[in-house]
Amino acid sequence: DVKVTQSSRYLVKRTGEKVFLECVQDMDHENMFWYRQDPGLGLRLIYFSYDVKMKEKGDIPEGYSVSREKKERFSLILESASTNQTSMYLCASSLPLGQGRGYTFGSGTRLTVV
Amino acid sequence: GQNIDQPTEMTATEGAIVQINCTYQTSGFNGLFWYQQHAGEAPTFLSYNVLDGLEEKGRFSSFLSRSKGYSYLLLKELQMKDSASYLCAVSHRNRDDKIIFGKGTRLHILP
Repeated sequence: DVKVTQSSRYLVKRTGEKVFLECVQDMDHENMFWYRQDPGLGLRLIYFSYDVKMKEKGDIPEGYSVSREKKERFSLILESASTNQTSMYLCASSLPLGQGRGYTFGSGTRLTVV
Repeated sequence: GQNIDQPTEMTATEGAIVQINCTYQTSGFNGLFWYQQHAGEAPTFLSYNVLDGLEEKGRFSSFLSRSKGYSYLLLKELQMKDSASYLCAVSHRNRDDKIIFGKGTRLHILP
């Protein structure tokens, strides 16, 4: 009954590495989102996408990029990982404008950059 | 802009009732969500209020006052498993497919 799947639950990477976080949803949702969550700061939006090949910056896009080549898949890319990108990363998807009923989240990826 | 305020932490006793408040300031408000998030896990949907009033769903109820920019989540007959963070979130009427989250209230349940 899994609807939004993130490829890794835990990930450890070295500073300077290029990191890919994958997210796949099987609900045919148009919208997909990437958040990071840190203690005391709540959920912060990194990037989102309303359609295939479309992307928009969220509140904290610096140091990240995204890719949406297929409707069901939304990838977050850390071009050169840094220790301040150690965080919990959450992917979410939702129905399109006019049908908004909130998000379905993936189980999260806890990334540690050493 | 949008601003969402909720208490950082609350403590309650097993079997009791607790009310978690949320106030918001946003132009073009559409609806308000509550999510539950256990430590180390993803948020899960609890409720969605668009109209004023109270909506009850088992032990959980959610209230909304649009004119006051205020909502609360009421948890009855508290159980230890209710120890979690509770996130208040709002959507904008022109962009109801994207929601803005508060920082969450961490609820501790004591035996």
